[in-house]
Amino acid sequence: GENVEQHPSTLSVQEGDSAVIKCTYSDSASNYFPWYKQELGKRPQLIIDIRSNVGEKKDQRIAVTLNKTAKHFSLHITETQPEDSAVYFCAELGDTGRRALTFGSGTRLQVQP
Amino acid sequence: DAGVTQSPTHLIKTRGQQVTLRCSPKSGHDTVSWYQQALGQGPQFIFQYYEEEERQRGNFPDRFSGHQFPNYSSELNVNALLLGDSALYLCASSYGPSVQFFGPGTRLTVL
Repeated sequence: GENVEQHPSTLSVQEGDSAVIKCTYSDSASNYFPWYKQELGKRPQLIIDIRSNVGEKKDQRIAVTLNKTAKHFSLHITETQPEDSAVYFCAELGDTGRRALTFGSGTRLQVQP
Repeated sequence: DAGVTQSPTHLIKTRGQQVTLRCSPKSGHDTVSWYQQALGQGPQFIFQYYEEEERQRGNFPDRFSGHQFPNYSSELNVNALLLGDSALYLCASSYGPSVQFFGPGTRLTVL
């Protein structure tokens, strides 16, 4: 079945540094890749997504890159701030009639002030 | 424009009982998906409803059932509760299957 591996499981950076989280997927038909941020006790919030027809998408300090050949995609956060501290989940969705997002196991990001 | 809403916020039940959770999708959305999130894990897909029918189901037993109403709102029912059903239950709405927005969740505790 579909599988998404996410690394690292925890990441600690100093305020102002960059953070990178990586995910790999198994289904070559996957064509939609969202990233969610979940603060403690709150809902997952969609922060950025990318479709398979582009290789990179950027929104202010956040960017996502996609390598379909290697089946991996990454979240890049630049100039990190303490409020970026949260758990980040990658997910994927295919184009074969599947309708369920398959999530990675999450990365706990801690930004030290 | 209200986002996705869920009720109740918290629920405590005992083993063997039944529970019903409710979800109202974001305005303009016609598809509702339900996910179970255990502590420290990513959300796991339960099922998805579109046009009042279950369109896809994850690897969950028949004790988990659902419904979608004509106004697109949805219910998740869980029968014969087990301790392992304790989790955060998330509802996500979308227009079509892809871009999904989550509600605040219902925290279910089974004692």
